Amino acid sequence: DVVLTQTPVSLLISLGGQASISCRSSQSLVHSNGNTYLHWYLQKPGQSPQLLIYQVSNRFSGIPDRFSGSGSGTDFTLKISRVEPEDLGVYYCLQRTHNPNTFGAGTKLELK
Amino acid sequence: EIQLQESGPGLVKPSQSLSLTCSVTGYTITSGYDWSWIRKFPGNKMEWMGYISYSGSTNYNPSLKSRISITRDTSKNQFFLQLNSVTTEDTATYYCARGDFWGPGTMVTVSS
Repeated sequence: DVVLTQTPVSLLISLGGQASISCRSSQSLVHSNGNTYLHWYLQKPGQSPQLLIYQVSNRFSGIPDRFSGSGSGTDFTLKISRVEPEDLGVYYCLQRTHNPNTFGAGTKLELK
Repeated sequence: EIQLQESGPGLVKPSQSLSLTCSVTGYTITSGYDWSWIRKFPGNKMEWMGYISYSGSTNYNPSLKSRISITRDTSKNQFFLQLNSVTTEDTATYYCARGDFWGPGTMVTVSS
């Protein structure tokens, strides 16, 4: 199975600050069709995960531009600028290039 | 807007089968997409269990392949999860998802 290593495990950020989360894959996530199926989700407390970024860098509908994704191959990053209280929760990366689909272990974003 | 809702028993005895239903509104499951079951274990670990595609084909996590079945009832716009021979390690919150939209989740405890 593809292993996604997410770092850090937790982040303490001040309101208005910037957060960066890394997701490194044990193998390339470039599909044979040329697409890279690496997605980012946020699970807020008491809610189900919500899609933030799909295919590395595309913001899902309604997601503010404070969220940005980048990367290629095996190395991906989610950046959150101007952190707001509603950004708190656990962030996951998910790869859907290889079977089985696999998740990172999660990064918990908390306020300093 | 699409909505997904899981339903089923919250308590299952060891060695029995876990059966869950995902009811979908706002989108016809035969129109497109894969329709997945995902679970979150106590702590943060997430596991993709499998999906049934809009055409009816299935894809399962090999770690579950001998125990899992995902089926659907297109007349009711529902899809189902059956997991056989459960143990306490199957205790988790179970989500159905289209990828971009998830249900709220249902907690299932395996205990005698």
